Amino acid sequence: AQSVTQPDIHITVSEGASLELRCNYSYGATPYLFWYVQSPGQGLQLLLKYFSGDTLVQGIKGFEAEFKRSQSSFNLRKPSVHWSDAAEYFCAVAYSGGSYIPTFGRGTSLIVHP
Amino acid sequence: EPEVTQTPSHQVTQMGQEVILRCVPISNHLYFYWYRQILGQKVEFLVSFYNNEISEKSEIFDDQFSVERPDGSNFTLKIRSTKLEDSAMYFCASSPGQGHQPQHFGDGTRLSIL
Repeated sequence: AQSVTQPDIHITVSEGASLELRCNYSYGATPYLFWYVQSPGQGLQLLLKYFSGDTLVQGIKGFEAEFKRSQSSFNLRKPSVHWSDAAEYFCAVAYSGGSYIPTFGRGTSLIVHP
Repeated sequence: EPEVTQTPSHQVTQMGQEVILRCVPISNHLYFYWYRQILGQKVEFLVSFYNNEISEKSEIFDDQFSVERPDGSNFTLKIRSTKLEDSAMYFCASSPGQGHQPQHFGDGTRLSIL
């Protein structure tokens, strides 16, 4: 069964520092990969997605992610974090060869210090 | 930008009572979903709905749950006899297609069972 691992439950960074949130997925057919952000009391907002082509994808709010098939990873990055980026971040994967229903990771909570 | 809307934002119900959670998906979307997020845990898939029938469901979605699209705009989740463990955030999502077409989420309904 497809699975997603986000190894970091909490990440704390200082405002202006760079950020990398890790995501690993279980091996399968061509993955469709997503990062969502959830601000307190709100739903999930799509930051970016990958399904083919350039392995470095750009998203909203200055985020980017890189698909590395050899490492089964899809890490999310941002060069300079803003206080408003504090939120919960979810990685998700779906596969073209089976169910298209995405499986979500357990999330990483980002804390931003001033 | 069109949004998925969910009502109510918070529902408090006595254990054993029936509850209906309502969602208005984005109008030109064809696939509809319900997810659950128990406090502090990952987002879990419940059910997907396409062409007026359930296309996939998880093991969480037992006989106590049902979904319906009673008209051209609403998509509802009914829990027949609520249990304490049904307390969670329930998210509705919709997408124009499957696979690489990402889901758009509502802000959720917080269901509290007393």
